[in-house]
Amino acid sequence: SQQGEEDPQALSIQEGENATMNCSYKTSINNLQWYRQNSGRGLVHLILIRSNEREKHSGRLRVTLDTSKKSSSLLITASRAADTASYFCATDAVNTNAGKSTFGDGTTLTVKP
Amino acid sequence: DAGVIQSPRHEVTEMGQEVTLRCKPISGHDYLFWYRQTMMRGLELLIYFNNNVPIDDSGMPEDRFSAKMPNASFSTLKIQPSEPRDSAVYFCASRMGQGFYEQYFGPGTRLTVT
Repeated sequence: SQQGEEDPQALSIQEGENATMNCSYKTSINNLQWYRQNSGRGLVHLILIRSNEREKHSGRLRVTLDTSKKSSSLLITASRAADTASYFCATDAVNTNAGKSTFGDGTTLTVKP
Repeated sequence: DAGVIQSPRHEVTEMGQEVTLRCKPISGHDYLFWYRQTMMRGLELLIYFNNNVPIDDSGMPEDRFSAKMPNASFSTLKIQPSEPRDSAVYFCASRMGQGFYEQYFGPGTRLTVT
């Protein structure tokens, strides 16, 4: 089964609103990453948060990590139509093959202009 | 750097034919990953290499799939014989060495098997 699972599966908001998507995972991790995939393209790395960090910011992105609940959230503030994409979390689990990240099923975000 | 390069971008083939997908990772990256993405199964890791050596091929669906990395700048994923259920987008990704976790994805190869 997938290590990471995103919630919700799909999210539709108006431009200017904030978008929050969540990721839950099963085993202890070294770090958690978020990626974006535009339609017909490969995934693009957005942000990485290490297991000893609780919050991280990058521009309009804010990521939190709660290792006790094995969950993370990605917040996109002041969304734009260009943010329309699928967003995936990926985890590097402790005690697993070094270098291997496990991806969730993704959240599809639609931002309406 | 040109990023991860994949070829072809699109491949349409008939069932039973051999398909070879190609990938050139970013220069200096030690890890190379092959993924398959479908609506039904999402993004699946098929196999990954470290310094040209296959580390984990547990995601390769069956013996019809094989992957090689003869050198640090080239990898192939071969399907022989192909079947309609192999239709998917196949991504190659690369990553720097230990301590670096960000993966760089190629544009993908959309494979259609009729």
